[in-house]
Amino acid sequence: DSGVTQTPKHLITATGQRVTLRCSPRSGDLSVYWYQQSLDQGLQFLIQYYNGEERAKGNILERFSAQQFPDLHSELNLSSLELGDSALYFCASSGRDSRETQYFGPGTRLLVL
Amino acid sequence: GQSLEQPSEVTAVEGAIVQINCTYQTSGFYGLSWYQQHDGGAPTFLSYNALDGLEETGRFSSFLSRSDSYGYLLLQELQMKDSASYFCAVRANQAGTALIFGKGTTLSVSS
Repeated sequence: DSGVTQTPKHLITATGQRVTLRCSPRSGDLSVYWYQQSLDQGLQFLIQYYNGEERAKGNILERFSAQQFPDLHSELNLSSLELGDSALYFCASSGRDSRETQYFGPGTRLLVL
Repeated sequence: GQSLEQPSEVTAVEGAIVQINCTYQTSGFYGLSWYQQHDGGAPTFLSYNALDGLEETGRFSSFLSRSDSYGYLLLQELQMKDSASYFCAVRANQAGTALIFGKGTTLSVSS
């Protein structure tokens, strides 16, 4: 158990819809990262937050947005969903003991029909 | 930008030694990490090399050569439970500590 929690575990929705994925980092970690994993694109970095502020952006689509709240939990919002957004979305956190070690949550498996 | 190359598949038998190579191209280098992911599971951290040389952690070792932009993960005394995907990764940029991952190497260990 990494100490990172993600909800929900599975999500099935339709094209055009909007969903919110939630992540709680390990206690004491200030950095939260979101990654998308699909069969064709591999594990792709989306966005990083540090102590409530956006720190780095990766290949995040404009239809996607994220935020980190004062209690350090983070949410990833995906809107106008397309079939190609079906993937495993991981949240990771770091910082309490080593900024180079990322601890991944169990992921949210999103299926867009 | 950053790119990483690693073999897509490696097969080995129990008790053997296997080496998974990774070559990278980065605009700035802040270390090479390795992660393990079992099918459907979360990636888990294995090792991090910032300086040249070999880092050993139990049955797993990781090597880095910054001049060659190359690293490898060495797995010894292979066990069936080592069957998984292995990813090398580099930092995305200087500002953050987010990672850019290679496509992953699927290791299959047979008895």
